[in-house]
Amino acid sequence: DVKVTQSSRYLVKRTGEKVFLECVQDMDHENMFWYRQDPGLGLRLIYFSYDVKMKEKGDIPEGYSVSREKKERFSLILESASTNQTSMYLCASKGSGDEQYFGPGTRLTVT
Amino acid sequence: GENVEQHPSTLSVQEGDSAVIKCTYSDSASNYFPWYKQELGKRPQLIIDIRSNVGEKKDQRIAVTLNKTAKHFSLHITETQPEDSAVYFCAASIKQAGTALIFGKGTTLSVSS
Repeated sequence: DVKVTQSSRYLVKRTGEKVFLECVQDMDHENMFWYRQDPGLGLRLIYFSYDVKMKEKGDIPEGYSVSREKKERFSLILESASTNQTSMYLCASKGSGDEQYFGPGTRLTVT
Repeated sequence: GENVEQHPSTLSVQEGDSAVIKCTYSDSASNYFPWYKQELGKRPQLIIDIRSNVGEKKDQRIAVTLNKTAKHFSLHITETQPEDSAVYFCAASIKQAGTALIFGKGTTLSVSS
């Protein structure tokens, strides 16, 4: 079974803090993705990576950056957290097949 | 930019009825259309998908149809059961690197017994 894990289920941070969200997959997948999920807005793609050190902007990259130094790990970075970044963050990975496998999500609250 | 429209946003049916959720996409280069189910507090999971060279696909009580000309695809659930209650998301592949998906906003399906 594909396993995608995220470092925290719940996270509370203060405005202006630098926040790191970590995602790890154990299936040697080339592709990894970060989405945010908000009620009524569905899943919106923030960034994705199709190889180590490679990244592509999604629909809403503003205020975020990513890092992929190792194949199994994809990090989402909020350089200076703001209250409008309070959301559920979902990581996903995909190998040579079509299916994206999601992690359990991190609910981030910025106060 | 590319987008996926999904309707309805909420759907309530009686157990045993059928449910239909419809999506339209804008990118004519999209060639892969998955449907994900997300139960409350859980991660989205793929339930069925279809590629653009196929018009219909069925898996037990679930079917997906695709009309490439009209750029729309639909999810059909027959003989609904209470455990079908969840949020359903459609998605379409986008041409960037050929691997990313753009999702619809979701449909909350409630099946009452």
